[in-house]
Amino acid sequence: DVVMTQSPLSLPATLGQPASISCRSSQSLVHSDGNTYLHWFQQGPGQSPRRLIYRVSNRDSGVPDRFSGSGSGTDFTLEISRVEAEDVGVYYCMQGTQWPPAFGPGTKLDIK
Amino acid sequence: QVQLVESGGDLVKPGGSLRLSCAASGFSFRDYYMSWIRQAPGKGPEYISYISPSAHSIYYAASVRGRFTISRDNANNSLYLQMNSLRAEDTALYYCVRQDGGYAYWGQGTLVTVSS
Repeated sequence: DVVMTQSPLSLPATLGQPASISCRSSQSLVHSDGNTYLHWFQQGPGQSPRRLIYRVSNRDSGVPDRFSGSGSGTDFTLEISRVEAEDVGVYYCMQGTQWPPAFGPGTKLDIK
Repeated sequence: QVQLVESGGDLVKPGGSLRLSCAASGFSFRDYYMSWIRQAPGKGPEYISYISPSAHSIYYAASVRGRFTISRDNANNSLYLQMNSLRAEDTALYYCVRQDGGYAYWGQGTLVTVSS
């Protein structure tokens, strides 16, 4: 099975400053169809996970453009250009390329 | 809009059984793969099962295989998870998720607690 890791696991962020989360997979996430099924989710306190980014770099509808995703192969990054108070929560990367789908351990973002 | 509403979660003793339901609306349920994903307290989500639109293709994670059964009723836009031989480690919030290549739509979850 593919193992997903994230760093850091805890991210004290400063309002208005950038923040970055790294995600790595134990195997390449490039599917035989040429797509890379690496997604990013945000989970606010007491909420269901909300998808922010799909297939590495595509922002979901309604997601602020301060969120961006990048990467390839086994290394991926979620970046927040300017952290806002509403960004507090846990961020998960998830791979859907190989069975079974797997989530990273999560990165907890809070405000310093 | 897409809505997924889970129900059926409860407190159950180890070895007991429970049946979860998910009512879907706002999309053509019969056209989509559907999944159950669970999240134990303080942990990340864990993918546990999927079912194809016709129910011909089904998958279970090793952690639940042989104990859980996924099913669906396309006429009533409903997804189910029959959970038998429950263990303490099955304690989690169980989410119904539409599987459309990106897992964009999740329900609010239903809580299963396995404890004596």
